Amino acid sequence: DAGITQSPRHKVTETGTPVTLRCHQTENHRYMYWYRQDPGHGLRLIHYSYGVKDTDKGEVSDGYSVSRSKTEDFLLTLESATSSQTSVYFCAISEPGLAGVSYEQYFGPGTRLTVT
Amino acid sequence: DQQVKQNSPSLSVQEGRISILNCDYTNSMFDYFLWYKKYPAEGPTFLISISSIKDKNEDGRFTVFLNKSAKHLSLHIVPSQPGDSAVYFCAAPNFAGGTSYGKLTFGQGTILTVHP
Repeated sequence: DAGITQSPRHKVTETGTPVTLRCHQTENHRYMYWYRQDPGHGLRLIHYSYGVKDTDKGEVSDGYSVSRSKTEDFLLTLESATSSQTSVYFCAISEPGLAGVSYEQYFGPGTRLTVT
Repeated sequence: DQQVKQNSPSLSVQEGRISILNCDYTNSMFDYFLWYKKYPAEGPTFLISISSIKDKNEDGRFTVFLNKSAKHLSLHIVPSQPGDSAVYFCAAPNFAGGTSYGKLTFGQGTILTVHP
């Protein structure tokens, strides 16, 4: 199994509070991603990183920010949590292959976030 | 705009029979597809992939078929086993912004239940 951990695994927070989720990898993979999983929507990309300090928005980035100060850590911050951000959040990693890109991603175990 | 669609939210099959999970896509530029499997309370795991230069890829009990003219792919599991009960996602590389950086667009997922 790829060495990916997420913390916390479960969190309940109140509307309006900031929340930070952490993803830590031991694989030294260059690319990292944050997804959210919701019923009927599958996995949707929030933000991604293609290197240290290099990040960009995904398809559902509003209300979220990210930071990557070192290869192994990718943080997702909900600036002011809302009930619509209640979801399961997954971190994933991948590494460019010899052909320039590898599409195979390895996922962490997920964080279940409830905003009340 | 859901570019990768799984129109069947669930599928129920008997142990030993074939499971067929379907996926449709709208972007004719997609040239690589992946299937992921997800158990409850775990992250998705890579299952099998196919390049658009092929119309079939097989790995043990799992075979993926690609019909480019119909923009359709399917995952066949033969014979199905109770341990195959999981959510299955199809995915394709996401080139929004010009460079993929390994990003994926996922379908909504299909819940497969294999009954003993």
